[in-house]
Amino acid sequence: GAGVSQTPSNKVTEKGKYVELRCDPISGHTALYWYRQSLGQGPEFLIYFQGTGAADDSGLPNDRFFAVRPEGSVSTLKIQRTERGDSAMYLCASSLRGGAPYEQYFGPGTRLTVT
Amino acid sequence: EDQVTQSPEALRLQEGESSSLNCSYTVSGLRGLFWYRQDPGKGPEFLFTLYSAGEEKEKERLKATLTKKESFLHITAPKPEDSATYLCAVQGDPSGGSYIPTFGRGTSLIVHP
Repeated sequence: GAGVSQTPSNKVTEKGKYVELRCDPISGHTALYWYRQSLGQGPEFLIYFQGTGAADDSGLPNDRFFAVRPEGSVSTLKIQRTERGDSAMYLCASSLRGGAPYEQYFGPGTRLTVT
Repeated sequence: EDQVTQSPEALRLQEGESSSLNCSYTVSGLRGLFWYRQDPGKGPEFLFTLYSAGEEKEKERLKATLTKKESFLHITAPKPEDSATYLCAVQGDPSGGSYIPTFGRGTSLIVHP
């Protein structure tokens, strides 16, 4: 079956601009996670959705970052007033449910470059 | 705070030279330990879940084991296509009901033909 998809695969933007990154999880997976990964590091947790609601947003670095999942499927990560330090690989993952340690299935990622 | 330390950071092997990768962890009430494989520029690919000390799982040339303090990923007779970064992650007792995994920095494995 189809895996997790993310668009765009690459995004180059200028400092100060607004960007949206999209994630389409595996059908039937109710839990969705966003991570950020810098070169040579492991994925860093940003936010977790269970259904439509953000169950844990403790990883969002500041109020420039926001994410939504209005219908409990596709999610969008939104970054306002981008900074060069936001440049990283943004990964999305989904799992069957979030209320237990289920394995996560990752998308291919969006490489964000802020110039 | 959950912590995961992976060693070595990088490992170079000759094809057929078996070895092990280490994942040491500190977690409040382990609920699951996960191994992933990540190819350059791609998202991590799930390999194994281990839930309790003494558990072992195998897949082709890979075997994962778990103790109360660490996990090993054993690679038997590796091939060049096993070259990748291997990530370890742990999930402990949930904070407020959400299971958020903590990832290590990974071990970069290169297998030379």
